[in-house]
Formats: sequence, structure tokens, C-alpha cells
Amino acid sequence: KQEVTQIPAALSVPEGENLVLNCSFTDSAIYNLQWFRQDPGKGLTSLLLIQSSQREQTSGRLNASLDKSSGRSTLYIAASQPGDSATYLCAALNAGGTSYGKLTFGQGTILTVHP
Amino acid sequence: NAGVMQNPRHLVRRRGQEARLRCSPMKGHSHVYWYRQLPEEGLKFMVYLQKENIIDESGMPKERFSAEFPKEGPSILRIQQVVRGDSAAYFCASSPRTGLDEQFFGPGTRLTVL
Repeated sequence: KQEVTQIPAALSVPEGENLVLNCSFTDSAIYNLQWFRQDPGKGLTSLLLIQSSQREQTSGRLNASLDKSSGRSTLYIAASQPGDSATYLCAALNAGGTSYGKLTFGQGTILTVHP
Repeated sequence: NAGVMQNPRHLVRRRGQEARLRCSPMKGHSHVYWYRQLPEEGLKFMVYLQKENIIDESGMPKERFSAEFPKEGPSILRIQQVVRGDSAAYFCASSPRTGLDEQFFGPGTRLTVL
């Protein structure tokens, strides 16, 4: 059974800092891994999706890496801004058996970027 | 191309009433997933459906909960005889062709049980 853990649970940084959010998963046989952003009381916005055959994906100031062998993914945010304040979720998709179609989510990292 | 739509966005029910949550997938998507986010908890998978078929309902509570995705119309998540513990945000996602495609999420329905 896949389990996903995110560290830290909360992070507060000053504007302009580069930061790293961590995600670890127990079952390395993932098909892909997604990073989402969730604003308070809102839905999920997909940020990046990394296929199992990829090592990283980039979109603007965001870079996500994937290391299947160690069961880890990181989300790197460059030059953070107050508008980046949100909860960041990672979710793993496994392909085998009873995992088909189920995203397994971490508990999230609550990010606050203060001016 | 409209995204995944869910309605209502907010739903208030008294204990014992029924709640019906609707999800219209993105155009061209034939796979729908429901997830629940309980207060102070992460999102948990509930059910995976294709048109007229339940593919996996392993995350659904055994009683009072049911889901359908008919040939025509939206997917419905139905909760009978709601209890306070059902208060949560319910999110629907859709994908185009298979259960391995990227899932796109709707804005969620926030259910409050009084």
C-alpha cells in the first residue's frame, strides 16, 4: 500500500527566498507523481506532473525532481513571492493491481511567504 | 474548454438528510474520480468510475455512500442519512482515456452537516 509523506508540514519564509518542499513515498513502483497547489477553501491546481521515466520537470519558477530509487520527490520554488502562499500537495499514482487510477496524497506543506 | 465542474459548491444538510453532489468532467473525459478531504486530513480516494461502470470503490464507506456515472449527464456522489462526520470537502477529478492519465480536479463541494 502506497504511503506519501510531506516534510515540513509548514514553512514560513521571507519573500525572495528559494525553498524546497519534500515528498517521500513508500512504493517506488509509481507511474507518475503530481504536485498540486491548494489555496484555502479552494480546489486543487496542478503544478507539475513527472512521469516515472523522467527525472525532473520545470515550469517557470518551479522545478520538481523525482528519484524513484530513493522514493523521493522535491519541489523547488525560486524567488518566492507572497502569492506563492498556499498548501502544496504531492500525489503518487501507481499502476499495478488495485492502485490503478488512485492518487495517494501526502498531508501537504503549508507555505507562507511574508513580504 | 471548461474544466471540471462541481455543484453545488457549498451544501448544508441536517443529520439524516440526503446529499447529492454532482460532477461534470472535462469535455472528452470518460473517467471520473471522487476524493474526500476531511478537516485537518489529507485527500483520500473514494471511487473511480467510467461511463456506466464502477471501476474501483475501495475507498467508499460501506454504508450510505454510492456513486454513479451514467451514460448521459454528470457523475453523482450520493450520501444517504448524513451524519456530522460526513462534513468535508468532496473533490471530483477527471481524466481522458485511462486511469493512468493526468487527473484534473474540480473546485470541490463543501458539505456541512448540522
